[in-house]
Amino acid sequence: QVQVVESGGGVVQPGGSLRLSCAASGFTFRNYGMYWVRQAPGKGLEWVSFIRSDERNKYYVDSVKGRFTIARDNSKNTLYLQMNSLRVEDTSIYYCARSDSAGAGYMDVWGKGTTVTVSS
Amino acid sequence: EIVLTQSPGTLSLSPGERATLSCRASQSVSSNYLAWYLQKPGQPPRLLIYAASNRATGIPDRFSGSGSGTDFTLTISRLEPEDFAVYYCQQYASSPPLTFGGGTKVEIK
Repeated sequence: QVQVVESGGGVVQPGGSLRLSCAASGFTFRNYGMYWVRQAPGKGLEWVSFIRSDERNKYYVDSVKGRFTIARDNSKNTLYLQMNSLRVEDTSIYYCARSDSAGAGYMDVWGKGTTVTVSS
Repeated sequence: EIVLTQSPGTLSLSPGERATLSCRASQSVSSNYLAWYLQKPGQPPRLLIYAASNRATGIPDRFSGSGSGTDFTLTISRLEPEDFAVYYCQQYASSPPLTFGGGTKVEIK
């Protein structure tokens, strides 16, 4: 079935790095844009980053620009989020989500999320 | 940036009642590119409605979306026990940034 599964979360000190992965299956990954969305404990949803199906466009929320990098490997059906210079306020559940199209559409498939905790 | 404001913050209702949730945008959402999601505790969000009024696959017809421009509404005609959750609206007309509303919690009265 159509699904995305995140991995790579963990506990890291402020200033540290993590790389999240999102493995896609059940659909033609290269045809769809992909998102990262996060949710801080007890808070609402925040869009983090987007990458177009062909990687021509990559977008970031202002708070992560210059620190996070989104990437994809269409040959491995995998989405990535490289997170550097992590801050306490980056602590969240990070969800991978599929766009309904090659571009930035609505999010029709969500993973269960991976938890990132930034703490000293 | 399009800011989405959801109201009320919390809606206290009983099973079988009608729920009306509002999402107001700071500027017009072109092509009515607005989606609604439901999130239950400990679960990821789930798509309910896209393009303001189209139900996603498998969503019961008690859920309906309406509106255009800057004012959008999610209506649940008769609340079932599994509908008590948090609901988010999201615009995908203007990105970056793609934006979510702050959410409406529908709780059992």
